[in-house]
Amino acid sequence: DGGITQSPKYLFRKEGQNVTLSCEQNLNHDAMYWYRQDPGQGLRLIYYSQIVNDFQKGDIAEGYSVSREKKESFPLTVTSAQKNPTAFYLCASRALRPSGANGLTFGAGSRRTVL
Amino acid sequence: GQQLNQSPQSMFIQEGEDVSMNCTSSSIFNTWLWYKQDPGEGPVLLIALYKAGELTSNGRLTAQFGITRKDSFLNISASIPSDVGIYFCSNNNDMRFGAGTRLTVKP
Repeated sequence: DGGITQSPKYLFRKEGQNVTLSCEQNLNHDAMYWYRQDPGQGLRLIYYSQIVNDFQKGDIAEGYSVSREKKESFPLTVTSAQKNPTAFYLCASRALRPSGANGLTFGAGSRRTVL
Repeated sequence: GQQLNQSPQSMFIQEGEDVSMNCTSSSIFNTWLWYKQDPGEGPVLLIALYKAGELTSNGRLTAQFGITRKDSFLNISASIPSDVGIYFCSNNNDMRFGAGTRLTVKP
């Protein structure tokens, strides 16, 4: 079945460690997005990409980096500069054609906890 | 940037009751999208609205695209325990989300 796969589901890291979250989709979607959800909060946009080899910062990009070398993949690196202790990271994608009026398909999320 | 305000922030209702929530924007939208997030999962698209005044249903859910294009409403009729979760509004302009309405349904 088509969908978005995020890994790992749970992640425990010590302060000062970088970590990369994987996001893969087999929906042939053009655009991919990363959101962070803090406990009891809504979704905030970190980075997004509408085409391979191009990406844009969202509202909370500091402390994060991304790459889009393949259409199917949009990994997110959480650097040691990112201080939030616990967060839920959600990857999403959507088709941009035939029109931009398409909703997002989300992965199941990755929960990061800093020890 | 544009602001998306959802209300209420949370609701505690009895099973069988109807629910109404809304979302307002500081800007005009071309599309309104409503999602539901189950605990520990990613959100799932419930309803998409594409035209001012449009009223769309999906089972017990009904959503409307406000005439001003700056607001939208989501109603759930005859709530059941599995309606529990967080309901988010969003748009296709910039893919931002409101803060969500957290729904608790008591059996």
